[in-house]
Amino acid sequence: DIQMTQSPSSLSASVGDRVTITCRASQSVGRCLNWYQQKPGKAPNLLIYAASSLQGGVPSRFSGSGSGTDFTLTINSLQPEDFATYYCQQGYSTPRSFGQGTKVEIK
Amino acid sequence: QVQLQQWGAGLLKPSETLSLTCAVYGESLSGRSWSWIRQPPGKGLEWIGEINPRGSTTHNPSLKSRVTISSDTSKNQFSLRLTSVTAADTAVYYCARVRWVQVVLSTNYYTDVWGTGTTVTVSS
Repeated sequence: DIQMTQSPSSLSASVGDRVTITCRASQSVGRCLNWYQQKPGKAPNLLIYAASSLQGGVPSRFSGSGSGTDFTLTINSLQPEDFATYYCQQGYSTPRSFGQGTKVEIK
Repeated sequence: QVQLQQWGAGLLKPSETLSLTCAVYGESLSGRSWSWIRQPPGKGLEWIGEINPRGSTTHNPSLKSRVTISSDTSKNQFSLRLTSVTAADTAVYYCARVRWVQVVLSTNYYTDVWGTGTTVTVSS
C-alpha cells in the first residue's frame, strides 16, 4: 500500500497570506495526486486532480504541483472561506490512500 | 447536476452488519465507478472501496473480507455492507462518484461528487 504523508499537520495563517502544504508518497504515483478541502460537518470538496488540474468552479488562487513522490498545494492570498482541512489522496493504485490532513487555522 | 443521496442505519451493536445505500440522481450508474469513504470522529479520511462500470469491486485490505460493495442499476443505486462491526467502525460514511483521467502513462482516479454522509455509531 502507498502511504501518504502531509506536512504540516496544522498551520496558522492570516487572510492574504500565501500558504503551502506538502504531500509525500511512499513510492512514486506519477502525477496521480488529488487535493480536497473539507470544512467541519461537510463532505470533502475536490480542488485539484492529477497534481495540477483545477477542478471546475474552484478559485484560481488554488494551485497544485509536483510529480513522483513530492507534491504541493498552494493557496495564494488566503481568504476567510479557505480556513479548513486539506487532504491529499493518491489516485494511482488501490487502496486509494489519503494523507492525514492539514488544518489551516486563522492566526 | 449529479446528486448522491445516502441512507442507512445509524446505530449498530458490535458484531452487527452495517448496511448503507446511495442513490444516484442526474446520471446513470452505468459507465462510472462509485466509491465509499469513511471518516472516524475527529480523524482523517479512509478509502473503503469502489465498484467499477463492469460491477467489479475492490476494497481496502485493512477491512479484510468484511466489505461488500454492490450496485443495482435498475434502481440507480449502489450499496455498502460491512459485517462484524466494532467500535472502530464508528465513522461518517460517504458515497462518492469516481472519475479518471489519463496522465502521461498512468490513470488518475479521483472523487468529484460526494454524498452528504451518514453517521454510523457502533455501541453496545
